[in-house]
Amino acid sequence: QVQLQQWGAGLLKPSETLSLTCAVYGGSFSGYYWSWIRQPPGKGLEWIGEINHSGSTNYNPSLKSRVTISVDTSKNQFSLKLSSVTAADTAVYYCARSIAVAGYYYYYMDVWGKGTTVTVSS
Amino acid sequence: QSVLTQPPSASGTPGQRVTISCSGSSSNIGSNTVNWYQQLPGTAPKLLIYSNNQRPSGVPDRFSGSKSGTSASLAISGLQSEDEADYYCAAWDDSLNGQVFGTGTKVTVL
Repeated sequence: QVQLQQWGAGLLKPSETLSLTCAVYGGSFSGYYWSWIRQPPGKGLEWIGEINHSGSTNYNPSLKSRVTISVDTSKNQFSLKLSSVTAADTAVYYCARSIAVAGYYYYYMDVWGKGTTVTVSS
Repeated sequence: QSVLTQPPSASGTPGQRVTISCSGSSSNIGSNTVNWYQQLPGTAPKLLIYSNNQRPSGVPDRFSGSKSGTSASLAISGLQSEDEADYYCAAWDDSLNGQVFGTGTKVTVL
């Protein structure tokens, strides 16, 4: 069974850079997209972006200027960096495995990490 | 910013059937398949329905999904207390070139 284990700093000050990593255990790293999603307290889900094993990325247009997603295939890990954070970036951040077939006609996230709570406060 | 619209809440008594709607546009639901995620309190979302109406292994058959045009719906028949959760629809949006989620619906079992 594929499992995703994620970690990173949980408390940041405004203007700092958020950095999270997600490791993939028990399954293939290639052939999938690897995504980041966040959920502010009491609110809904927001897709941040994704990367595949060859490093091709897609980002949420609203976050694109501040987001970098990278991959380390030697470790079966992928990472998220979000720069210049503010209180509005306070959220639970999830990593997930995404399946895309026929372009993005069929696209869904079938395995999720447990989430990392990130708080931005001065 | 949620692009897909869901009712904020839905409820029913045990054994009843509950339906949740998800409204989108031609660039998302109208062009691609819809998925549904269940989020139990304090946990990560879980894939419930994919490709409009497919259930992953282990998901009870009392959960069903459908899609028509730019809208989709999730039905829970034989509602049980453990179904009390938040439910989100999702689809790829060709205009945004990204995944979009619904606003979420909280299901309460009375």
